[in-house]
Amino acid sequence: NAGVTQTPKFRVLKTGQSMTLLCAQDMNHEYMYWYRQDPGMGLRLIHYSVGEGTTAKGEVPDGYNVSRLKKQNFLLGLESAAPSQTSVYFCASSSPGLRIEQYFGPGTRLTVT
Amino acid sequence: DQQVKQNSPSLSVQEGRISILNCDYTNSMFDYFLWYKKYPAEGPTFLISISSIKDKNEDGRFTVFLNKSAKHLSLHIVPSQPGDSAVYFCASSEDFGNEKLTFGTGTRLTIIP
Repeated sequence: NAGVTQTPKFRVLKTGQSMTLLCAQDMNHEYMYWYRQDPGMGLRLIHYSVGEGTTAKGEVPDGYNVSRLKKQNFLLGLESAAPSQTSVYFCASSSPGLRIEQYFGPGTRLTVT
Repeated sequence: DQQVKQNSPSLSVQEGRISILNCDYTNSMFDYFLWYKKYPAEGPTFLISISSIKDKNEDGRFTVFLNKSAKHLSLHIVPSQPGDSAVYFCASSEDFGNEKLTFGTGTRLTIIP
């Protein structure tokens, strides 16, 4: 049981490049989330999904897109990376109704130059 | 507007003594409160939670206190151990089935041997 995994762990992009971050969970959780963590800002919700095929915007969605084609996977895309998107990205999953807490992946450190 | 605030960015405590981490919130709709612990280069891990119908919840060395009238919660760690050195985030949710958590900015706890 791996829990929540994220790929890749590190990435450096040039401004304007695109990339996709992959999150996978093996806990059969319905809900999945993408957060970013910046110094002094805590964790801020980018997008989330309450089930396969559904997504919704969080607090800071601009510049990101997401897809949830399979229940176990949640993808975060950056179409045209900007230096302001330099951050650590965390994926999480949860099963509301059973336990309130979210389970987090190890994070992806992204640098945009 | 920061709905969940952790006003102390850092805290140092002697090993064996009590660590007290504080969190204030402004949203009166928050009904569930959680504490997460985060080590460097890892994702946050769930520590303890409390519902608004309680004023205290205990789990081993960790106790969370909730003062609804003051919109304040605190995490007590007794006795503090070197492995407790980490960043602690408080988080809040409007109800048990709500998919969104609002996080504070974190407090870095250092336990001095």
